[in-house]
Amino acid sequence: QVHLQESGPRLMKPSQPLSLTCTVSGASLRGGDLYWSWLRQRPGKGLEWIGYLYHRGNTYYSPSFKSRVTISGDTSKNQFSLRLNSVTAADTAVYFCASGGLEARTEYWGQGILVTVSS
Amino acid sequence: DIQMTQFPSTLSASVGETVSMTCRASQTIDIWMGWFQQKPGKAPTLLIYKASVLASGAPSRFSGSGSGTEFTLTISSLQPDDFATYYCQQYKTSVTFGGGTKVEI
Repeated sequence: QVHLQESGPRLMKPSQPLSLTCTVSGASLRGGDLYWSWLRQRPGKGLEWIGYLYHRGNTYYSPSFKSRVTISGDTSKNQFSLRLNSVTAADTAVYFCASGGLEARTEYWGQGILVTVSS
Repeated sequence: DIQMTQFPSTLSASVGETVSMTCRASQTIDIWMGWFQQKPGKAPTLLIYKASVLASGAPSRFSGSGSGTEFTLTISSLQPDDFATYYCQQYKTSVTFGGGTKVEI
């Protein structure tokens, strides 16, 4: 069974870059056949996909985030990370990491981490 | 971006009823459709993928149908544990979600 766990700061100031890490067990980033996603959910709102890492280092980002997001992987630690630049209060959300194969891209989810952006 | 329109946004039902919700894509997504259940404070869980394939561990009272641009999730004989919010997700081109359907008593 694949297990994912998000980690990172829970409180940010506006304009800072947000960095989150997802630690993976039960699957390997080296495999190359899985998709490693970041998503978020703002308070009381629906799910938003931010982007994913796939096929040994390729990335695909949502147009809504493309200008300020980077997703990268560290195969030595079996982790993948999200960097979101220039955060504002509108980026306050629960951030989830997820993984899956071609047929179900977000089959497994982490529990989520609430990040609050406030001055 | 492919837009997903999900309706109804709220669905009132009783235990034992059969309920359905619909998701419409702004362009064809073939069968690249998933359905998720989410309870407050929890991560979503996958119910259906490829439009009609039941995910491992998902109860058999959940079923999905459709292809192209119109899809349906049906819950047969609603159980107390099924009161939650449901999201559709297309993954033909990038990933986008519908706005959600809250199933309440």
